[in-house]
Amino acid sequence: AQSVSQHNHHVILSEAASLELGCNYSYGGTVNLFWYVQYPGQHLQLLLKYFSGDPLVKGIKGFEAEFIKSKFSFNLRKPSVQWSDTAEYFCAVYNQGGKLIFGQGTELSVKP
Amino acid sequence: EAQVTQNPRYLITVTGKKLTVTCSQNMNHEYMSWYRQDPGLGLRQIYYSMNVEVTDKGDVPEGYKVSRKEKRNFPLILESPSPNQTSLYFCASSKPIRQGASGANVLTFGAGSRLTVL
Repeated sequence: AQSVSQHNHHVILSEAASLELGCNYSYGGTVNLFWYVQYPGQHLQLLLKYFSGDPLVKGIKGFEAEFIKSKFSFNLRKPSVQWSDTAEYFCAVYNQGGKLIFGQGTELSVKP
Repeated sequence: EAQVTQNPRYLITVTGKKLTVTCSQNMNHEYMSWYRQDPGLGLRQIYYSMNVEVTDKGDVPEGYKVSRKEKRNFPLILESPSPNQTSLYFCASSKPIRQGASGANVLTFGAGSRLTVL
């Protein structure tokens, strides 16, 4: 079965540290890729998306992600995290069959 | 304001007592979907709807029903809730999702409904 895997369940960083959250998927065809963020007590909202073109995409709040097709990966990065980035982050992959699959989520805690 | 509205936001109920969680969107979106969020499992799709009167099972449909009689509403029905349905539920909507490359669209999520079944 197709799946999306987020390697880190809980990441704890200090402010100003760099962040990289891993996301790998198992589908071999063309995909659309998303990162959603859920701040404490809030609903999910879009952080960034990749449909085609430049594999390095930039999202809101200084986040970016790189699509590496050969590695089936779409890792999320931020050079310097802030306390306000504390949230849960979800990777999601849409395949051509019309299915959007979410990863298990990564909880990020940023210490001030 | 464009939004997805879910009610109730919080509910504690008992095993076997039928309940409905409503979902309404004001963006004229064709696609609507229900997810449940459980620790360590992420979001799992329960049911989705491509358009009015078109619904289909997601990954975890057992114990749930849905209907899509009108475009804006997509209620989730638990006919006989059980404790394993204790979860956080999200409704989401988007423009049409189609098969093929670039068929996805960005989902707009509701605020969530936290359900506890005793």
